[in-house]
Amino acid sequence: EAQVTQNPRYLITVTGKKLTVTCSQNMNHEYMSWYRQDPGLGLRQIYYSMNVEVTDKGDVPEGYKVSRKEKRNFPLILESPSPNQTSLYFCASSRQGTIPYEQYFGPGTRLTVT
Amino acid sequence: RKEVEQDPGPFNVPEGATVAFNCTYSNSASQSFFWYRQDCRKEPKLLMSVYSSGNEDGRFTAQLNRASQYISLLIRDSKLSDSATYLCVVTGGDYGGSQGNLIFGKGTKLSVKP
Repeated sequence: EAQVTQNPRYLITVTGKKLTVTCSQNMNHEYMSWYRQDPGLGLRQIYYSMNVEVTDKGDVPEGYKVSRKEKRNFPLILESPSPNQTSLYFCASSRQGTIPYEQYFGPGTRLTVT
Repeated sequence: RKEVEQDPGPFNVPEGATVAFNCTYSNSASQSFFWYRQDCRKEPKLLMSVYSSGNEDGRFTAQLNRASQYISLLIRDSKLSDSATYLCVVTGGDYGGSQGNLIFGKGTKLSVKP
């Protein structure tokens, strides 16, 4: 089954404790992206990757890191989480061409930082 | 600053009604436009891409007005299953890598009642 998987689905952590949220897709998509969704603010793009070893900042990259060493994986790293990073996080992937194609989203990771 | 504006709603309509959603975007260099649907606590899913000439998919019609930087979505004969939040999505830049930067509107909530 074609899908985007995220782990963990739920995470409660404390301020300053490094964490990684994994994202994996089995559709051989070139493009992958991370978003956060907050009430009243909608979905905001954190980072995106057009292909392996190519990453770019989205609109809210501060406090996050990403890497794209393999095509299928795009982990999101929070080196020192803070309470304002409490949010619902979505990973997405799509084919890549001259225009963006349909994005397939993972089920989301609900992160709480205390 | 790149922005996408939508009426947050909620739109409460009876079954069978026709409902229209509007969206404006600020970046005149944007090249690609989409409507996504998001059910409560679920990941967004592509409803339709929006083409310059306008396009229709069953009960759904999307229109783009580049001069006014305006996108619309019309739902005819609304069903209970259409109840969801509808997200307007615009690419953040012109051709090239910045096409990977996607800007989401905050969404318009639709509730279809029996």
